Amino acid sequence: NAGVTQTPKFQVLKTGQSMTLQCAQDMNHNSMYWYRQDPGMGLRLIYYSASEGTTDKGEVPNGYNVSRLNKREFSLRLESAAPSQTSVYFCASKSASTWTQYFGPGTRLLVL
Amino acid sequence: QKEVEQDPGPLSVPEGAIVSLNCTYSNSAFQYFMWYRQYSRKGPELLMYTYSSGNKEDGRFTAQVDKSSKYISLFIRDSQPSDSATYLCAMATRSNYQLIWGAGTKLIIKP
Repeated sequence: NAGVTQTPKFQVLKTGQSMTLQCAQDMNHNSMYWYRQDPGMGLRLIYYSASEGTTDKGEVPNGYNVSRLNKREFSLRLESAAPSQTSVYFCASKSASTWTQYFGPGTRLLVL
Repeated sequence: QKEVEQDPGPLSVPEGAIVSLNCTYSNSAFQYFMWYRQYSRKGPELLMYTYSSGNKEDGRFTAQVDKSSKYISLFIRDSQPSDSATYLCAMATRSNYQLIWGAGTKLIIKP
């Protein structure tokens, strides 16, 4: 039981490049989330998926897109990376019967 | 004004001290209150979960909610160097899937 896994662990991009961050959970959770974490700003919600087949914008969605590929997988895409997207990205999942979110180990992204 | 305010610290205390970490909030509809612990370069993990008001104790940790003051606290007794981490508070209403997060307090326990 791996919980929530994220790939890659670390990535360096040049401005304008695109990439997809992958997230998978093996806990049969309905809801999945993408956050970014910047120093002094806590966790900010980018997008979430309350259940398979649905996605919704969070607090900071601009510059990102998401895909809920199936119940297990939720990917985050940066179409044209900008230095302001340098951050640590966390994926999380939650079952329908609890408010507890379980987090992956994070992806550190540096955009030059 | 943010919905949830949390002092980012760092808070540095000697080993064995009692630690008090706090968050204030403005939304009276919050009913679910959580404390997460995040070690350096790791994802947050749930430490304590409280519904509505009152206290909850788990070993050396006590979570306290005062809804009348819109104030929550996490107390750590007999603090250990292994407690050094960032502590984030998070809250939710009954009807919303989203958690609202504090900025996190960095705690350093000195041996």
